[in-house]
Parts: sequence; structure tokens; C-alpha cells
Amino acid sequence: QQQVKQSPQSLIVQKGGISIINCAYENTAFDYFPWYQQFPGKGPALLIAIRPDVSEKKEGRFTISFNKSAKQFSLHIMDSQPGDSATYFCAASIGTGANNLFFGTGTRLTVIP
Amino acid sequence: GAVVSQHPSRVICKSGTSVKIECRSLDFQATTMFWYRQFPKQSLMLMATSNEGSKATYEQGVEKDKFLINHASLTLSTLTVTSAHPEDSSFYICSARDVGTGAYEQYFGPGTRLTVT
Repeated sequence: QQQVKQSPQSLIVQKGGISIINCAYENTAFDYFPWYQQFPGKGPALLIAIRPDVSEKKEGRFTISFNKSAKQFSLHIMDSQPGDSATYFCAASIGTGANNLFFGTGTRLTVIP
Repeated sequence: GAVVSQHPSRVICKSGTSVKIECRSLDFQATTMFWYRQFPKQSLMLMATSNEGSKATYEQGVEKDKFLINHASLTLSTLTVTSAHPEDSSFYICSARDVGTGAYEQYFGPGTRLTVT
């Protein structure tokens, strides 16, 4: 049973455009929501994370929007660049990122020049 | 900081042999490490949680006698795939939990590509 659902499976965006990836969860005990970026043949790297006490968190070109009532959160990549082309995973855990992470199915982002 | 390494990065072995994969936390102590498996274009699936000095906790459906995990020190955990078969071919990724610095994150290794012929 997939605890975190992620969409779309793949995404193609023009350079300079906005990339949006969405995730939804069911377990209301989740209180930590990180996003990971993974390049081919590499392990995932933490990109940005949010807790449910805020509705938005921004770090550079990356923004997480969080909707607690809808149990949804999304990643927005502003001014997308070809170097952003990677697979993005949302995840959820209880407590912190040091605890068991439940990963979404991943979104393969391609940014075309 | 918070670097995790894995060795080897790639390994090819023959069916029936055993393969050991090492996971090291280079600049922090990790009382807990996690082992994941990732099939092509799929998500990470947690296989087991490894605690230093104690037995690993395996997720449902993961054969503990096939995937042997040892966490002998605060910086090293090993995964041994015993009697490997082609269906064990996959990308194995470890992560280490950093709580000592207050980061409370998992930091992932670069992964090991296992191919069983």
C-alpha cells in the first residue's frame, strides 16, 4: 500500500518555466515532509522539507506548498533549468527525517533548453 | 558534512555467489543506518533498519537470511546478499541517521548497482 502518492510520473518543462510536482498522503500522524532529488546512478539528496505548522517554505528556486486539510503538498521549481533534470521524490515521516521515510513513486523531470 | 559512502559502486557477480556492500558515514556517527532497494525507474523500498550493536529489523517480505546486515561500528554497516540470483539485481542504497548534530535527517549514500549474471 503506497502511503504517499505522487504525480505526475514524468514532467517536461521548458527552461525558465515552473515545474510542479504533487503528493498526497493519508496518515495524519505524518508530520515531516521532505523532498529528495536523485540524479541517475546516485543516491537521493535532501532538497527541502516542511512541517505542517507552516503552509509554505521557500529555499531559493524551490518552494514547498502544504495543505494540511487536504493532506497534500507540492514542490514548485521556479525558473527551471536543464541542470534540474532529475527524479524527484516526496516523502513523509513521523517526527523527523531521521525516522522511517515513506517515499512517493517519483517524478522524472526533464527541463528542455 | 554528513557524507555517506558506499563501496563498491558497481558489482557484477555470478549466480550463487555472495556479495558484500559497505556503507560508511564519513564525518558523523550513525547509530542507525537504513538499507533500501530501488528498481529501475521506481521508488526506494526500505529493506531493513540497522542499529549499531544489535540485530537489524527487516521489513515485511525481506528475507533476513538472504540479506545479511551487520552494523558493527558507529560508522559502518554492511549488507551481504547471499546466494545471489538474477532477480536480486538492483540498485542498493544505504542511508545513515544523523542525530548527533541535531540535524535529524537521513543522509543517503551514492548507491551500489548489483548485477547478478
